[in-house]
Amino acid sequence: KAGVTQTPRYLIKTRGQQVTLSCSPISGHRSVSWYQQTPGQGLQFLFEYFSETQRNKGNFPGRFSGRQFSNSRSEMNVSTLELGDSALYLCASSLAPGLTSGANVLTFGAGSRLTVL
Amino acid sequence: GEDVEQSLFLSVREGDSSVINCTYTDSSSTYLYWYKQEPGAGLQLLTYIFSNMDMKQDQRLTVLLNKKDKHLSLRIADTQTGDSAIYFCAERGENTGFQKLVFGTGTRLLVSP
Repeated sequence: KAGVTQTPRYLIKTRGQQVTLSCSPISGHRSVSWYQQTPGQGLQFLFEYFSETQRNKGNFPGRFSGRQFSNSRSEMNVSTLELGDSALYLCASSLAPGLTSGANVLTFGAGSRLTVL
Repeated sequence: GEDVEQSLFLSVREGDSSVINCTYTDSSSTYLYWYKQEPGAGLQLLTYIFSNMDMKQDQRLTVLLNKKDKHLSLRIADTQTGDSAIYFCAERGENTGFQKLVFGTGTRLLVSP
């Protein structure tokens, strides 16, 4: 069973540009969430999607956006890049929200490492 | 708001036991998780515990939860060099969106031969 696939794995952008990152969840997983990992701030929740709807959003500026498609694949976009956006962006998938079983855990992809120059 | 704290670094010798500690502030936490991150990789789930449990054992891993003190620990028995990595604890609160986890700062475990 394939895991969570994130593309691209590495990319370099310059300030002011925009970037789109892609995430394909595990087959059958319908919930996708995104996290940003930086040395200074650690792992921070960006947003969560289910059924093409954003269910929850972290404390990030509006430059950070995302969407989910009908096949559960998700993309996130960062516009007007700043140096501080350099980070590892992690996508995670799970079966569906609202399940009470702890077995419905998040499975993370390997991440997309963004460097902003 | 929610906050999760971990010590930054732990060094042990191969074959010893490792104990990684975590404290959290959210009294409504429902599940607590331990993830492992190796260099250049994403997060790998190691184990999790439901908040009404005190202990969970999974092969070499033992999780202890003291809900009163909001303290979580991960014990790795017979630690191997391949266990060298960063370990994150994370909590999921009752009132947050299902997938929102609050992560600790991570503990870097170094296992020397």
